[in-house]
Amino acid sequence: GAGVSQSPSNKVTEKGKDVELRCDPISGHTALYWYRQSLGQGLEFLIYFQGNSAPDKSGLPSDRFSAERTGGSVSTLTIQRTQQEDSAVYLCASAISGLNYEQYFGPGTRLTVT
Amino acid sequence: ILNVEQSPQSLHVQEGDSTNFTCSFPSSNFYALHWYRWETAKSPEALFVMTLNGDEKKKGRISATLNTKEGYSYLYIKGSQPEDSATYLCAFLSGSARQLTFGSGTQLTVLP
Repeated sequence: GAGVSQSPSNKVTEKGKDVELRCDPISGHTALYWYRQSLGQGLEFLIYFQGNSAPDKSGLPSDRFSAERTGGSVSTLTIQRTQQEDSAVYLCASAISGLNYEQYFGPGTRLTVT
Repeated sequence: ILNVEQSPQSLHVQEGDSTNFTCSFPSSNFYALHWYRWETAKSPEALFVMTLNGDEKKKGRISATLNTKEGYSYLYIKGSQPEDSATYLCAFLSGSARQLTFGSGTQLTVLP
């Protein structure tokens, strides 16, 4: 299908290791978003890309989190020196343009830090 | 910090009942209000994006209204079916914001 895809679907990692999560948005969508949902919590905004630029990085929880987007397409979210509190489902969404357009979500990556 | 509240937190209805729930958001500097439906083990699915005061949108048995002056939106489901069971999320976008602020959702369970 032509939806948003994310990989891996599940990731178990040891505390202190780095992880990289990938998002492939819908072709032609210029806006891309990362969210996370921790256990029992709502959707938490992390970062938003318009093209390859990230106008708002304020949602990144700490400097261990970074994200990039290349070619206006694929995005990677990197978490360095993972901690147990990073365990969550990380969702990616894309939209045809900015924030007033509906977002199409990927299936998510479930990250477990042991 | 923008306050987006949804009520009720959870709701159980019988199949065939109609139901509605509320999303409250700041009434100043409104730009857009999104509604999403999130079924367990699936991804959130967009229902509506509403931008104009008085807007009413409909998709099948689901409809939504918007009052930006008083800062609320209602989501209605007519003749609920078990497949409507999901968490319904609203998300607010202010004119100055560069991110959506999501509510915590209303978890709907439709009993057969």
